[in-house]
Amino acid sequence: ETGVTQSPTHLIKTRGQQVTLRCSSQSGHNTVSWYQQALGQGPQFIFQYYREEENGRGNFPPRFSGLQFPNYSSELNVNALELDDSALYLCASSGGPLMNTEAFFGQGTRLTVV
Amino acid sequence: DAKTTQPNSMESNEEEPVHLPCNHSTISGTDYIHWYRQLPSQGPEYVIHGLTSNVNNRMASLAIAEDRKSSTLILHRATLRDAAVYYCIRKKGGGADGLTFGKGTHLIIQP
Repeated sequence: ETGVTQSPTHLIKTRGQQVTLRCSSQSGHNTVSWYQQALGQGPQFIFQYYREEENGRGNFPPRFSGLQFPNYSSELNVNALELDDSALYLCASSGGPLMNTEAFFGQGTRLTVV
Repeated sequence: DAKTTQPNSMESNEEEPVHLPCNHSTISGTDYIHWYRQLPSQGPEYVIHGLTSNVNNRMASLAIAEDRKSSTLILHRATLRDAAVYYCIRKKGGGADGLTFGKGTHLIIQP
C-alpha cells in the first residue's frame, strides 16, 4: 500500500473540454510529480510541485497545469483536450524535491478523449 | 531520450535468479541509477537505487559496474509476482526534472 491515491480512476471526456485530476500524496511527503503514460510506453514526466510551487517541468505544453495545496495534495488540469491526451495519468509523491529517494506512485487515472 | 538501454524482454523460470541488464554509457558523476517496476494495471513501484556501490534491499540487489556505464538488477529468486516491466532510470542527483522512463524490460516468468 503506497498511500498515494488518485481520483477518478477512469474518465471519458470530449475533445476540446477541460479535465481536472486529483492526487492525495503519502503522509509526510511534500513533493508531488505527475506523469503521462500512453499505451505501451513508459511514463513521461509532466511536472513537479514542491511546497505549492512548480519546480520542474517536462516537455508538455502550457495547457497542462497544476496546483499543490497546503496539505500537499495536488491537481493536474488539462485544457482544450486533444485525442492524443488519452493516456494513464500517474501521480507520484516523495519526501523531497531532489528525487534522490524513492517515489511512491498512485494507481493512476485512465483518461479517454473522444 | 531515456539515457539508458535495456533489452525489450527477458524470460526466466520461477524460483531461479534473474539478472536484468542496463546500459548507461553516458552517465555523469552525479547521476543515480534507479530501478522501478510496473505490474499490469498498476502504477510504477520503486525497487532500488544506487550511485556507485552495490546495493541490497529486501526486493533485489543492484550491481553497478566499476566504470558506472552499466548496471544489473538481480532478483535472487523470481516468483510469478515478479512478472512486470522493469525500468532502469538515470537520475541526476539534486535535479527536479522527474524520472525519465524508457520502454523498460518486459520480464516474463515461466512456472
